[in-house]
Amino acid sequence: QVHLVQSGAEVREPGASVKVSCKASGYTFTGYYMHWVRQAPGQGLEWMGWINPNSGGTNYAQKFQGRVTMTKDTSISTAYMELSRLRSDDTAVYYCARGAAAVTFCDYWGQGTLVTVSS
Amino acid sequence: DIVMTQSPDSLAVSLGERATINCESSQSVLYSSNNKNYLAWYQQKPGQPPKLLIYWASTRESGVPDRFSGSGSGTDFTLTITSLQAEDVAVYYCQQYYSTPPGFGQGTKVEIK
Repeated sequence: QVHLVQSGAEVREPGASVKVSCKASGYTFTGYYMHWVRQAPGQGLEWMGWINPNSGGTNYAQKFQGRVTMTKDTSISTAYMELSRLRSDDTAVYYCARGAAAVTFCDYWGQGTLVTVSS
Repeated sequence: DIVMTQSPDSLAVSLGERATINCESSQSVLYSSNNKNYLAWYQQKPGQPPKLLIYWASTRESGVPDRFSGSGSGTDFTLTITSLQAEDVAVYYCQQYYSTPPGFGQGTKVEIK
């Protein structure tokens, strides 16, 4: 069965960076895109971008361009999302989610990683 | 960007009754070449990630109870929960995947009356 297991909660100061991991199992890692979606406390879902684990190609939402970097390590079936120059409004739960294409629905989601930005 | 707007923001329904959630897109998400609506519905319970319920506007994901159904085309869509159960208390989101960015509606909270 498909599982996406994310790294644990993080606390960062404003201006710092955070890197969240997402380890996939139960399917061919390079056969599906990995999307990243975040959710601020009590708010809705916000798509951040995707990475193609096969090619390494990425596409980021305009809002995050210049601050987000999505990478992968196919040897351990893990995707990463790094967000830099953190601000307090980046405090959110960050999810990885599997999608069959670049623009698609996501059928499996990680459990989420809470990133808290606070001084 | 395509803007997704859900209504209502919240609703309270008695157990066993019908719940209806609407979702409107700012432009059509119907792709004429394959006649498919690029619209999905998710359920999110407190403290959990979203769960895919419906894709292609009306195709139920494997394992999703048949009391959940999706309908609509073009710009107007509906998620219907017939005979609401206690475990259906959640926030429901629609999402368009017709174009980048694949945006979500603001969510509709479903509670028991």
